[in-house]
Amino acid sequence: DTAVSQTPKYLVTQMGNDKSIKCEQNLGHDTMYWYKQDSKKFLKIMFSYNNKELIINETVPNRFSPKSPDKAHLNLHINSLELGDSAVYFCASSHRDPYGYTFGSGTRLTVV
Amino acid sequence: QQQVKQSPQSLIVQKGGISIINCAYENTAFDYFPWYQQFPGKGPALLIAIRPDVSEKKEGRFTISFNKSAKQFSLHIMDSQPGDSATYFCAAINTGNQFYFGTGTSLTVIP
Repeated sequence: DTAVSQTPKYLVTQMGNDKSIKCEQNLGHDTMYWYKQDSKKFLKIMFSYNNKELIINETVPNRFSPKSPDKAHLNLHINSLELGDSAVYFCASSHRDPYGYTFGSGTRLTVV
Repeated sequence: QQQVKQSPQSLIVQKGGISIINCAYENTAFDYFPWYQQFPGKGPALLIAIRPDVSEKKEGRFTISFNKSAKQFSLHIMDSQPGDSATYFCAAINTGNQFYFGTGTSLTVIP
């Protein structure tokens, strides 16, 4: 199946831990994104990678670091997790044109 | 600063009724306006989209109405069904391919 897949789907961890979320797309898209969706459903873009280069970095704490080994993968590493990091994180990908903007199914991160 | 303002935040409609969600923007550099539908536990999925050179686009029961002079666009869901219950996001994209999402509308269609 052609898709954007991210793992894990659920992640429960303690404050202070370091965790990673993985994302892969087999759509041949050249841009990948990370979004954070809070409890009010608001979608906030965190990062965008185009051909392995960071092209957007919104005001996100530097505890969050995206890593893209190739244009089909964009992983999100989070250091020193805080309670406020609890949210659903979505990976997405697109071509240069906006028609192919495709989201993954999300990773629900709960920090306790 | 919220580039795209969306209302209402939540909407309850009877089965068979019309659901209407509104969005407004200020930046005239936007040239593509998609709507996304998100079911619980899933990612947003593209539902329908419009470019500003047309005033209306219809796909099945879903219609986008676009008013370029007022910088407003809306999603109309005709004959709303319980299966339409989801969160809907409008978005606007500028010529640099930057996405700006609205704040979302939670739609509940009552049987």
